[in-house]
Amino acid sequence: EPEVTQTPSHQVTQMGQEVILRCVPISNHLYFYWYRQILGQKVEFLVSFYNNEISEKSEIFDDQFSVERPDGSNFTLKIRSTKLEDSAMYFCASNAELTDTQYFGPGTRLTVL
Amino acid sequence: QKEVEQDPGPLSVPEGAIVSLNCTYSNSAFQYFMWYRQYSRKGPELLMYTYSSGNKEDGRFTAQVDKSSKYISLFIRDSQPSDSATYLCAMTLKTSYDKVIFGPGTSLSVIP
Repeated sequence: EPEVTQTPSHQVTQMGQEVILRCVPISNHLYFYWYRQILGQKVEFLVSFYNNEISEKSEIFDDQFSVERPDGSNFTLKIRSTKLEDSAMYFCASNAELTDTQYFGPGTRLTVL
Repeated sequence: QKEVEQDPGPLSVPEGAIVSLNCTYSNSAFQYFMWYRQYSRKGPELLMYTYSSGNKEDGRFTAQVDKSSKYISLFIRDSQPSDSATYLCAMTLKTSYDKVIFGPGTSLSVIP
């Protein structure tokens, strides 16, 4: 069964450093998303992406964040200058045009020291 | 008032019991309703989705939506230890492509 994959599974970085989280959505999907979950809290929407542009973003998704689909298979989330409060699980999700829901990847655990 | 609320639990039941998980929401504009299961430090795994009031059954799982009461439920029959996880109710506004709004989750333990 096709699935969303994410790399790395765990990323440790120093405050102020840039990180790039990578996702490979399900191959025929057209809509892509990033969510995050701070430990012990609920899953929160960050951004949605369709047709090579951002469809919607939350107030969390400020100028420090950016997304890109650099080729036909990868979807990335970049955090330019990480803060301690960026420590969280980051989930990528994708959705096909004809299906009714979003499928999530296993997540990348980001730890900012 | 929070958009989506769930009793956080923990809920502990013996193996074989029927489990009822509930969720309330405040925005009557929500159209699509989902239940996800999340194991510790893993991604949400879709269990069921529906966009109409009423019941939808899939194996041991039944999802129930009551839009007039803004209330959704997930029933698990013949619960198994492998069902031990956090259950997240989730919903979207206009279409399934919209951002998913999650509840905080209910932690379930099924005791052998």
